[in-house]
Amino acid sequence: KNEVEQSPQNLTAQEGEFITINCSYSVGISALHWLQQHPGGGIVSLFMLSSGKKKHGRLIATINIQEKHSSLHITASHPRDSAVYICAVSKGKDDKIIFGKGTRLHILP
Amino acid sequence: DAGVIQSPRHEVTEMGQEVTLRCKPISGHDYLFWYRQTMMRGLELLIYFNNNVPIDDSGMPEDRFSAKMPNASFSTLKIQPSEPRDSAVYFCASSLLSSGGRETQYFGPGTRLLVL
Repeated sequence: KNEVEQSPQNLTAQEGEFITINCSYSVGISALHWLQQHPGGGIVSLFMLSSGKKKHGRLIATINIQEKHSSLHITASHPRDSAVYICAVSKGKDDKIIFGKGTRLHILP
Repeated sequence: DAGVIQSPRHEVTEMGQEVTLRCKPISGHDYLFWYRQTMMRGLELLIYFNNNVPIDDSGMPEDRFSAKMPNASFSTLKIQPSEPRDSAVYFCASSLLSSGGRETQYFGPGTRLLVL
């Protein structure tokens, strides 16, 4: 079993819809990261969080340490949000980073 | 700042050849990471450095892979000899302060390697 699991693997939605991508992990972590990989391949770090919630524009990331679960939400989705969203965790004191397989999001105009 | 710079952006080589990938981290960042991304395995951490010293190379697949960071502004990842299964996108990332795992990482554009 992978230490970081994301769901769904693929998601297609209409422009304007509220999007939720989930990430569950099975190890002790020091931080959780959400990354966005554009169709061209570039990777951008969206959030790094270890508790609570963070918001940046239309993006919101939450984490529940007790349940070992994080969600990434996109409000008022737009075709330019189409990308692969990757969850990653920093494991405990050695900070080794483990990545989920990613969620491929496609927003239709 | 120009961000993390990687070169070359694309590399096509034949099996058995030596491949050298280069990375210039963001100035002032003290952590540097090398990642590999394939369709089958996704993103994987290969090795990371702190203040030019390799901290964890347990992700390096085998002895054919080696990485160096001779100074704070330059790192190389070398594959010798290369094999077709090494074909992947190789990303370099850098971050600042106490621990790379706890700080936002900035990724380079990646080097797309194809070994024929």
